[in-house]
Amino acid sequence: RKEVEQDPGPFNVPEGATVAFNCTYSNSASQSFFWYRQDCRKEPKLLMSVYSSGNEDGRFTAQLNRASQYISLLIRDSKLSDSATYLCVVNRTGGSYIPTFGRGTSLIVHP
Amino acid sequence: GAVVSQHPSRVICKSGTSVKIECRSLDFQATTMFWYRQFPKQSLMLMATSNEGSKATYEQGVEKDKFLINHASLTLSTLTVTSAHPEDSSFYICSAQTGGEGNTIYFGEGSWLTVV
Repeated sequence: RKEVEQDPGPFNVPEGATVAFNCTYSNSASQSFFWYRQDCRKEPKLLMSVYSSGNEDGRFTAQLNRASQYISLLIRDSKLSDSATYLCVVNRTGGSYIPTFGRGTSLIVHP
Repeated sequence: GAVVSQHPSRVICKSGTSVKIECRSLDFQATTMFWYRQFPKQSLMLMATSNEGSKATYEQGVEKDKFLINHASLTLSTLTVTSAHPEDSSFYICSAQTGGEGNTIYFGEGSWLTVV
């Protein structure tokens, strides 16, 4: 089983839709979680950290479920500009901070 | 915010030559930097962890003699692809962590390497 798994998609949604991605991780000792956004042929950029209590940033909501070992990203009111690949990042073990990336989930928002 | 700069952004080299890519953390000190490679439509693959003042830690399957990593200071790590071959053509990205509480990972802009 891969350390970090994501459904590669693509998720094709119309503008204004709500879409959610999940990411599962295998190492129960993982302590830090992030969502990154990567546009085509560009470097990943931090979208948001994921906190135990869940957190929201505008149209984006991230949640962590330690019992089931997954994190989620919810995007409300999708915009065309949200089209990108969303990468889940898990620090491999607590303290060592070696980030492990999921394969990424491709989102396409269409008019 | 923290910025990581990577240079060059694009390089074309002849087969058999060596190419050096630099990664700099511009406004924070990074004791650890990471080097990744990404092939088209694939995920980022960790190549090695670069530790300031010590040898890099390579992931399984990555040839340390081919991908030389030097982390000479707290703000600079370099990756040298030696004796490059066309199959080494890829997108190479570095990242650096701020460390401590609120540890965050920032990426360089990436370097497109084409070996002809």
